[in-house]
Amino acid sequence: DAKTTQPNSMESNEEEPVHLPCNHSTISGTDYIHWYRQLPSQGPEYVIHGLTSNVNNRMASLAIAEDRKSSTLILHRATLRDAAVYYCNGMGGGADGLTFGKGTHLIIQP
Amino acid sequence: NAGVTQTPKFQVLKTGQSMTLQCAQDMNHEYMSWYRQDPGMGLRLIHYSVGAGITDQGEVPNGYNVSRSTTEDFPLRLLSAAPSQTSVYFCASRTGQGSYNEQFFGPGTRLTVL
Repeated sequence: DAKTTQPNSMESNEEEPVHLPCNHSTISGTDYIHWYRQLPSQGPEYVIHGLTSNVNNRMASLAIAEDRKSSTLILHRATLRDAAVYYCNGMGGGADGLTFGKGTHLIIQP
Repeated sequence: NAGVTQTPKFQVLKTGQSMTLQCAQDMNHEYMSWYRQDPGMGLRLIHYSVGAGITDQGEVPNGYNVSRSTTEDFPLRLLSAAPSQTSVYFCASRTGQGSYNEQFFGPGTRLTVL
């Protein structure tokens, strides 16, 4: 099963880039890597996902290691609204693809 | 689309009472899941369903029952509430089996068991 490992918390300053790491060394070759975030008192929301290539969208960028055992979510210019818990998830089939780790609590300092 | 909706938003129960948390989605998603989130903790999977009539256990299924009679609805039943079930409950859905597809989460139900 695609278990993930993330740092418990990270801190960054407003308007600076943030790199959030995730290790998923047991991910299978066909599992997409998904990132979600959870703002305070809200349900999680989708951020970005990818398989092998780096991906960009309006919210963030996703850099995936060549061996796919790790990935990094990049917030290019953090704002106070980016303070949240960020979860990475190796989306396999069955319950494995629905299981989340503890995530990284991102703190943004003004 | 309303997305994933959950009712009620808040609920207080006494130990031993039963209740059903409602979850509905209008996106015709096959997969639906229930999670609980304890204070300061991550999401833990309770039960999930890959389609109408099919359910399976997640990481923490004890004390909870589910059924899936329609594609749209996936209620979570607490048969005899315990203080250890005090938590925030999230329902989620996603389309298909492919790992390409992201999950959509509801706003949550905050449950307190006294």
